[in-house]
Amino acid sequence: GAVVSQHPSWVICKSGTSVKIECRSLDFQATTMFWYRQFPKQSLMLMATSNEGSKATYEQGVEKDKFLINHASLTLSTLTVTSAHPEDSSFYICSARGRLSGELFFGEGSRLTVL
Amino acid sequence: DAKTTQPTSMDCAEGRAANLPCNHSTISGNEYVYWYRQIHSQGPQYIIHGLKNNETNEMASLIITEDRKSSTLILPHATLRDTAVYYCIVRVGPGGTSYGKLTFGQGTILTVHP
Repeated sequence: GAVVSQHPSWVICKSGTSVKIECRSLDFQATTMFWYRQFPKQSLMLMATSNEGSKATYEQGVEKDKFLINHASLTLSTLTVTSAHPEDSSFYICSARGRLSGELFFGEGSRLTVL
Repeated sequence: DAKTTQPTSMDCAEGRAANLPCNHSTISGNEYVYWYRQIHSQGPQYIIHGLKNNETNEMASLIITEDRKSSTLILPHATLRDTAVYYCIVRVGPGGTSYGKLTFGQGTILTVHP
Protein backbone atom coordinates (compact mmCIF):
# COMPACT_ATOMS: atom_id res chain seq x y z
CA GLY A 1 0.00 0.00 0.00
CA ALA A 2 0.88 3.64 -0.25
CA VAL A 3 3.43 4.83 2.27
CA VAL A 4 4.20 8.24 3.67
CA SER A 5 7.48 8.55 5.50
CA GLN A 6 8.53 11.23 7.94
CA HIS A 7 12.06 12.04 8.98
CA PRO A 8 13.27 12.34 11.61
CA SER A 9 11.00 10.22 13.80
CA TRP A 10 12.14 12.18 16.80
CA VAL A 11 14.43 15.09 17.39
CA ILE A 12 15.73 16.96 20.42
CA CYS A 13 17.05 20.46 19.95
CA LYS A 14 18.10 23.47 21.95
CA SER A 15 15.87 26.49 22.26
CA GLY A 16 16.50 29.01 19.50
CA THR A 17 17.57 26.53 16.86
CA SER A 18 15.62 25.55 13.74
CA VAL A 19 14.46 22.06 12.96
CA LYS A 20 13.40 20.63 9.61
CA ILE A 21 10.97 17.74 9.29
CA GLU A 22 10.53 15.92 6.00
CA CYS A 23 7.41 14.25 4.69
CA ARG A 24 7.83 11.96 1.68
CA SER A 25 5.34 9.99 -0.33
CA LEU A 26 7.32 6.88 -1.22
CA ASP A 27 5.35 5.24 -3.99
CA PHE A 28 2.93 7.85 -5.22
CA GLN A 29 2.80 11.49 -6.20
CA ALA A 30 1.11 13.89 -3.84
CA THR A 31 -0.04 17.27 -5.07
CA THR A 32 -1.24 18.19 -1.61
CA MET A 33 0.21 17.47 1.81
CA PHE A 34 -1.15 18.46 5.17
CA TRP A 35 0.70 19.21 8.38
CA TYR A 36 -0.83 18.54 11.79
CA ARG A 37 0.38 19.14 15.33
CA GLN A 38 -0.60 17.10 18.33
CA PHE A 39 0.12 18.04 21.93
CA PRO A 40 0.09 15.35 24.65
CA LYS A 41 -3.36 13.92 25.33
CA GLN A 42 -4.90 16.16 22.71
CA SER A 43 -6.23 15.56 19.24
CA LEU A 44 -4.56 16.43 15.96
CA MET A 45 -4.81 20.05 14.88
CA LEU A 46 -4.34 21.02 11.25
CA MET A 47 -1.57 23.57 10.84
CA ALA A 48 -1.32 24.08 7.11
CA THR A 49 -2.03 22.74 3.66
CA SER A 50 0.95 22.36 1.37
CA ASN A 51 0.48 22.38 -2.40
CA GLU A 52 3.28 21.44 -4.77
CA GLY A 53 4.77 24.47 -6.41
CA SER A 54 2.80 27.06 -4.50
CA LYS A 55 2.69 28.74 -1.13
CA ALA A 56 1.24 26.86 1.77
CA THR A 57 -2.09 27.82 3.26
CA TYR A 58 -1.97 28.20 7.02
CA GLU A 59 -4.79 27.71 9.48
CA GLN A 60 -5.85 30.56 11.69
CA GLY A 61 -3.47 31.11 14.56
CA VAL A 62 -0.50 29.34 12.96
CA GLU A 63 2.47 31.63 12.36
CA LYS A 64 3.68 31.18 8.80
CA ASP A 65 7.04 32.77 9.55
CA LYS A 66 7.66 30.36 12.37
CA PHE A 67 6.50 27.22 10.61
CA LEU A 68 8.01 27.34 7.15
CA ILE A 69 6.58 24.87 4.69
CA ASN A 70 8.15 23.97 1.38
CA HIS A 71 6.62 21.59 -1.15
CA ALA A 72 9.14 21.62 -3.94
CA SER A 73 8.26 18.28 -5.54
CA LEU A 74 5.37 15.88 -5.85
CA THR A 75 6.91 13.57 -3.29
CA LEU A 76 8.39 15.86 -0.65
CA SER A 77 7.14 18.52 1.71
CA THR A 78 9.20 19.97 4.53
CA LEU A 79 8.20 21.73 7.72
CA THR A 80 10.81 23.92 9.36
CA VAL A 81 10.22 25.07 12.91
CA THR A 82 12.28 28.24 13.17
CA SER A 83 13.74 29.51 16.42
CA ALA A 84 12.14 26.66 18.29
CA HIS A 85 11.05 27.11 21.88
CA PRO A 86 9.92 24.57 24.48
CA GLU A 87 6.27 25.34 23.74
CA ASP A 88 6.87 24.08 20.18
CA SER A 89 7.55 20.63 21.57
CA SER A 90 4.91 18.44 19.99
CA PHE A 91 4.14 15.51 17.71
CA TYR A 92 4.09 16.69 14.10
CA ILE A 93 2.22 14.55 11.57
CA CYS A 94 1.89 14.92 7.83
CA SER A 95 -0.60 13.42 5.42
CA ALA A 96 -0.45 13.22 1.66
CA ARG A 97 -3.21 13.21 -0.90
CA GLY A 98 -2.55 11.00 -3.92
CA ARG A 99 -2.49 12.90 -7.21
CA LEU A 100 -4.26 10.13 -9.11
CA SER A 101 -6.34 8.34 -6.51
CA GLY A 102 -7.20 11.30 -4.33
CA GLU A 103 -6.81 9.05 -1.31
CA LEU A 104 -5.21 10.24 1.87
CA PHE A 105 -2.27 8.65 3.70
CA PHE A 106 -0.61 9.60 6.97
CA GLY A 107 3.03 9.59 8.00
CA GLU A 108 4.28 8.02 11.20
CA GLY A 109 4.80 11.35 12.90
CA SER A 110 7.84 13.25 14.17
CA ARG A 111 8.27 14.05 17.83
CA LEU A 112 10.02 17.32 18.53
CA THR A 113 11.41 18.12 21.97
CA VAL A 114 12.86 21.58 22.50
CA LEU A 115 15.03 21.97 25.58
CA ASP B 1 -17.31 19.66 8.17
CA ALA B 2 -20.15 18.08 10.10
CA LYS B 3 -19.38 17.74 13.79
CA THR B 4 -19.21 14.29 15.32
CA THR B 5 -19.79 13.13 18.86
CA GLN B 6 -18.11 10.07 20.31
CA PRO B 7 -17.86 8.62 23.81
CA THR B 8 -14.64 9.56 25.53
CA SER B 9 -13.60 6.03 26.34
CA MET B 10 -14.69 2.42 26.06
CA ASP B 11 -13.43 -0.92 27.29
CA CYS B 12 -13.57 -4.25 25.54
CA ALA B 13 -12.47 -7.75 26.42
CA GLU B 14 -10.00 -9.41 24.12
CA GLY B 15 -11.71 -11.61 21.55
CA ARG B 16 -15.04 -9.85 21.90
CA ALA B 17 -16.55 -7.42 19.44
CA ALA B 18 -15.90 -3.74 20.02
CA ASN B 19 -18.74 -1.47 18.95
CA LEU B 20 -17.79 2.19 18.75
CA PRO B 21 -20.65 4.65 18.20
CA CYS B 22 -20.53 8.03 16.52
CA ASN B 23 -23.21 10.67 16.15
CA HIS B 24 -23.15 13.00 13.16
CA SER B 25 -26.62 14.47 13.04
CA THR B 26 -25.66 17.40 10.79
CA ILE B 27 -24.06 15.31 8.06
CA SER B 28 -24.66 16.53 4.51
CA GLY B 29 -25.75 14.39 1.59
CA ASN B 30 -22.32 14.39 -0.04
CA GLU B 31 -20.34 13.68 3.10
CA TYR B 32 -18.84 10.34 3.95
CA VAL B 33 -18.18 8.84 7.37
CA TYR B 34 -14.52 8.00 7.85
CA TRP B 35 -12.90 6.13 10.71
CA TYR B 36 -9.25 6.39 11.65
CA ARG B 37 -7.37 5.15 14.67
CA GLN B 38 -4.20 6.30 16.32
CA ILE B 39 -2.06 3.98 18.31
CA HIS B 40 0.11 5.75 20.85
CA SER B 41 2.90 7.83 19.29
CA GLN B 42 2.01 6.85 15.73
CA GLY B 43 0.28 8.58 12.86
CA PRO B 44 -3.42 7.95 12.24
CA GLN B 45 -4.33 4.76 10.41
CA TYR B 46 -7.24 4.58 8.02
CA ILE B 47 -9.82 1.95 8.95
CA ILE B 48 -12.90 2.26 6.80
CA HIS B 49 -15.32 4.73 5.28
CA GLY B 50 -18.85 4.73 3.91
CA LEU B 51 -21.54 6.96 2.48
CA LYS B 52 -24.84 5.30 3.29
CA ASN B 53 -24.46 1.57 2.87
CA ASN B 54 -22.86 -0.67 5.44
CA GLU B 55 -19.25 -1.47 4.65
CA THR B 56 -16.88 -4.24 5.65
CA ASN B 57 -13.19 -4.77 5.10
CA GLU B 58 -10.46 -6.88 6.65
CA MET B 59 -10.19 -4.58 9.64
CA ALA B 60 -13.73 -3.67 10.57
CA SER B 61 -17.37 -3.18 9.67
CA LEU B 62 -19.18 0.13 9.46
CA ILE B 63 -22.88 0.34 10.13
CA ILE B 64 -24.57 3.59 9.10
CA THR B 65 -28.15 4.25 10.15
CA GLU B 66 -30.73 4.83 7.46
CA ASP B 67 -31.01 8.53 8.29
CA ARG B 68 -27.18 8.72 8.30
CA LYS B 69 -27.19 10.61 11.57
CA SER B 70 -25.12 8.02 13.37
CA SER B 71 -22.82 5.12 12.72
CA THR B 72 -21.06 2.30 14.52
CA LEU B 73 -17.61 0.94 13.91
CA ILE B 74 -17.36 -2.74 14.72
CA LEU B 75 -14.11 -4.55 15.40
CA PRO B 76 -15.39 -8.15 15.31
CA HIS B 77 -12.69 -9.78 17.42
CA ALA B 78 -10.74 -7.16 19.33
CA THR B 79 -7.12 -7.84 20.22
CA LEU B 80 -4.78 -6.05 22.59
CA ARG B 81 -3.21 -4.35 19.57
CA ASP B 82 -6.52 -2.66 18.83
CA THR B 83 -6.07 -0.45 21.89
CA ALA B 84 -5.99 3.04 20.38
CA VAL B 85 -7.86 6.30 19.97
CA TYR B 86 -10.58 5.92 17.35
CA TYR B 87 -11.66 8.97 15.39
CA CYS B 88 -14.94 9.30 13.53
CA ILE B 89 -14.71 12.03 10.89
CA VAL B 90 -17.30 13.24 8.43
CA ARG B 91 -15.85 14.52 5.18
CA VAL B 92 -16.46 14.90 1.50
CA GLY B 93 -15.23 11.93 -0.49
CA PRO B 94 -11.88 11.51 -2.29
CA GLY B 95 -13.06 13.46 -5.30
CA GLY B 96 -13.95 16.52 -3.29
CA THR B 97 -11.64 19.49 -3.71
CA SER B 98 -11.37 20.06 0.01
CA TYR B 99 -10.75 16.40 0.73
CA GLY B 100 -7.79 15.89 3.01
CA LYS B 101 -8.32 18.70 5.51
CA LEU B 102 -9.51 16.54 8.33
CA THR B 103 -10.97 17.93 11.52
CA PHE B 104 -10.18 15.53 14.33
CA GLY B 105 -12.36 15.52 17.41
CA GLN B 106 -11.26 13.98 20.68
CA GLY B 107 -12.12 10.47 19.55
CA THR B 108 -12.82 7.42 21.67
CA ILE B 109 -10.06 5.80 23.67
CA LEU B 110 -10.63 2.08 23.26
CA THR B 111 -8.88 -0.13 25.75
CA VAL B 112 -8.84 -3.83 25.02
CA HIS B 113 -8.04 -5.88 28.11
CA PRO B 114 -7.12 -9.54 28.49
